[in-house]
Parts: sequence; structure tokens; C-alpha cells
Amino acid sequence: EAQVTQNPRYLITVTGKKLTVTCSQNMNHEYMSWYRQDPGLGLRQIYYSMNVEVTDKGDVPEGYKVSRKEKRNFPLILESPSPNQTSLYFCASSRRTGLYGYTFGSGTRLTVV
Amino acid sequence: KQEVTQIPAALSVPEGENLVLNCSFTDSAIYNLQWFRQDPGKGLTSLLLIQSSQREQTSGRLNASLDKSSGRSTLYIAASQPGDSATYLCAVEGQKLVFGQGTRLTINP
Repeated sequence: EAQVTQNPRYLITVTGKKLTVTCSQNMNHEYMSWYRQDPGLGLRQIYYSMNVEVTDKGDVPEGYKVSRKEKRNFPLILESPSPNQTSLYFCASSRRTGLYGYTFGSGTRLTVV
Repeated sequence: KQEVTQIPAALSVPEGENLVLNCSFTDSAIYNLQWFRQDPGKGLTSLLLIQSSQREQTSGRLNASLDKSSGRSTLYIAASQPGDSATYLCAVEGQKLVFGQGTRLTINP
């Protein structure tokens, strides 16, 4: 089944403890991105990647890092999480931007206390 | 800067009704528009993708239209069912993918 898989689905952590949210797609998509969803603010893009080793900032990149060493994986790294990063996070992928639409993962609900 | 607006923010209708959800965007220089469904606390499920050269797309009871020149799209749901209750999001892809805030739809049995 073609899908975007995120792990974990739920995570509660403490301020300052480094964490990684994994994202993997099995569709050989070139483009991958991360979003956060907050009440009243909607979905906002954090980082995106046009292909392997090519990443760029989205609208709200502060406090996050990403890497794209393999085409299928695009992990989101929070080196020192803070409570304002409590949110619902989504990973998405697309075969090619502008043509094929996007497939989203099931989401990761992160709580930072 | 692209802005996407969805009206209404919430809608409650009895089962069986046909309904229309609206999406408007400010910049007509887009590649496509995609409608998603989101159940509470869950991921986004793609419903329909309309390329900028297309006027509409249909899938089952769903029909989405696109008028790029006026910056508008509608999602028509025929014969609504309680299982259609969810938040519906439209997303416009230009330089990047921009989402509306969504319409929370409730279908009452």
C-alpha cells in the first residue's frame, strides 16, 4: 500500500530533551515536507526537501532540523524542544511538485512539558 | 502572498442533503488545488486534485470545481451521510502549498 508512515503517533517529552520524529514514504517520491497544525493557525510548513540532500526552510523553521540522506526518509529533529512546539505534526510527500498532489502521513501529536 | 479562505468555518446539516463547501484564494497563479478530509486528531486524506487547466473533478458523491480566474473552488457533496462528518481542507499549490483553515462539517442522522 502506498503510504507515508510517521512514528511515533503520540509523544510526550520534557523541555530540552532531543527527539526525532521519523517519516518514510514507499512511493519513490522526490518531494517531502513537514507541517505543524495548531488551532486557529491551520497547517504551516516547517521544512521541505526537493530531493536527496536538498532541503530548505518553510514558514516556521525555528527550533527544527531535517535531513534527507535517502529518498524515502525525511526525519524531523527537535534538538531542544520547548512547550511552544507542542503541536500536531504531519509529513507529506509528492511525486513531483505542481503535478501530482500530496500524500500525508497520519500525524504525530507531540506534547512538550 | 497566497491566502486561502474557507467559508463557512462550520456547517451542520441533516443527513441526505446536498451541500457545497467553498474555498477562495487570492493569487490565481496556481498549479493545482487539492481537497482533503481530516477526521479529529487524524491525518489528511486526499479527496480530489484539480489541475489548473481543469474545471472540475468527480469521485463518487464528491464533485470539485475550480474557477482559477475568480480564485474560487467548491466541493459539492451529494446525498450527505453521517460518515461524511469531518473537517474539509482545501490547499492551493503555487510556489508552495497553502491551506485554508477548513470547514468543520457535521451530518446529523
